[in-house]
Amino acid sequence: GAVVSQHPSWVICKSGTSVKIECRSLDFQATTMFWYRQFPKQSLMLMATSNEGSKATYEQGVEKDKFLINHASLTLSTLTVTSAHPEDSSFYICSASKTRNTEAFFGQGTRLTVV
Amino acid sequence: AQSVSQHNHHVILSEAASLELGCNYSYGGTVNLFWYVQYPGQHLQLLLKYFSGDPLVKGIKGFEAEFIKSKFSFNLRKPSVQWSDTAEYFCAVNSGGYQKVTFGTGTKLQVIP
Repeated sequence: GAVVSQHPSWVICKSGTSVKIECRSLDFQATTMFWYRQFPKQSLMLMATSNEGSKATYEQGVEKDKFLINHASLTLSTLTVTSAHPEDSSFYICSASKTRNTEAFFGQGTRLTVV
Repeated sequence: AQSVSQHNHHVILSEAASLELGCNYSYGGTVNLFWYVQYPGQHLQLLLKYFSGDPLVKGIKGFEAEFIKSKFSFNLRKPSVQWSDTAEYFCAVNSGGYQKVTFGTGTKLQVIP
């Protein structure tokens, strides 16, 4: 199978601090990973496309300086929420595909609560 | 830009009832279509997908979906639902390759025993 793992599953942080979320493809290499955000009772919204070895591509309206993405290897992408505020509290999900034109596999998500 | 709309936000059915969840997309070119399911407290999982070929696609757990190109639709069906089908269902589309996947707003299905 294809397993994507996120860590941590949930995190609580103080306003103004930074939080790093990891996304790993455990049994395959992924040159491209995707980061989504899911608000309560809403769908998944794509935040950015993480490209191994190059800069991430951000969707319109997503602050790249606030949501730092690093894709340093073929199995790991990280999302850092910098200077977090309560409005950043959300469910963050990553996904990765094995190859082009195949379905995406999703991590279990990370529940971020900023207090 | 591609978009997906799911018409039913919350569906309540009794066990053994038939299910059909609507999904329409907008994109002029070739698309890949997906239905994902999210059971309470679990990851998103793929139910079924359409890339090409037979427009009637069969997935896991007795689900199927039909791609009707002329209607830009990819409705999900199951002839007889079970209590364990209680979950949230997301229709999604991408335009091939590593292009971004766009999700619908989701449909919460509640099956009453």
